[in-house]
Amino acid sequence: DIEMTQSPSSLSASVGDRVTISCRASQSIINFLNWYQQKPGVAPKVLIHGASSLYGGVPSRFSGSGSGTDFTLTISNLQPEDFATYYCQQSFSTPETFGQGTRVEIK
Amino acid sequence: QVQLVESGGGVVQPGRSLRLSCAASGFNFDTYTMHWVRQAPGKGLEWVALISFNGKHDYYADSVRGRFTISRDNSKSTVYLQMDSLRTEDTAVYYCVRKEGGTTSPNYFDPWGQGTLVTVSS
Repeated sequence: DIEMTQSPSSLSASVGDRVTISCRASQSIINFLNWYQQKPGVAPKVLIHGASSLYGGVPSRFSGSGSGTDFTLTISNLQPEDFATYYCQQSFSTPETFGQGTRVEIK
Repeated sequence: QVQLVESGGGVVQPGRSLRLSCAASGFNFDTYTMHWVRQAPGKGLEWVALISFNGKHDYYADSVRGRFTISRDNSKSTVYLQMDSLRTEDTAVYYCVRKEGGTTSPNYFDPWGQGTLVTVSS
């Protein structure tokens, strides 16, 4: 199974900050990497697919990069509605595994 | 609009069974692979199982293989998760998700259902 490791597990940031979340795969997944946002009590929703493609309707302050084993989610100009937990997920092979999540909290 | 609605969750004793259902609408259900993903209370996301568009192929996480069975009825646009020999560690919100995208190109889970809570407790 491919192991996905996210860092950090949590971070505190202020509105307007630039935030970076990393995700590392235990083997190459090319660009089969997705990012999801989850708010408490609500199902996750996709933000980025294929490592860098912004899902329709997602604000352009969200961006993704990387290939192979190392990937990054960047949120520029953090907004109040962005405080949530973020998960990376590989869709390269079954079982499709998730990172452990990164909780973005208000400083 | 595209929608997935889960049902069937509840409280069940260890060792007993439960069947979850997920009713799909707003898209051609019989052309999509469907998955179940779960989330234990306060924990992260765990992929559980998938079933191919025609129901001929299914795959399971090691943690549920031999105890859970995924199936689908394309005439009813519904996917099921039969959960047998339930354990306390199966307690979680279970989400039904559609796999968007191709098999040889990047693909992702969208949409997600609202989730249904399964609590395994004596």
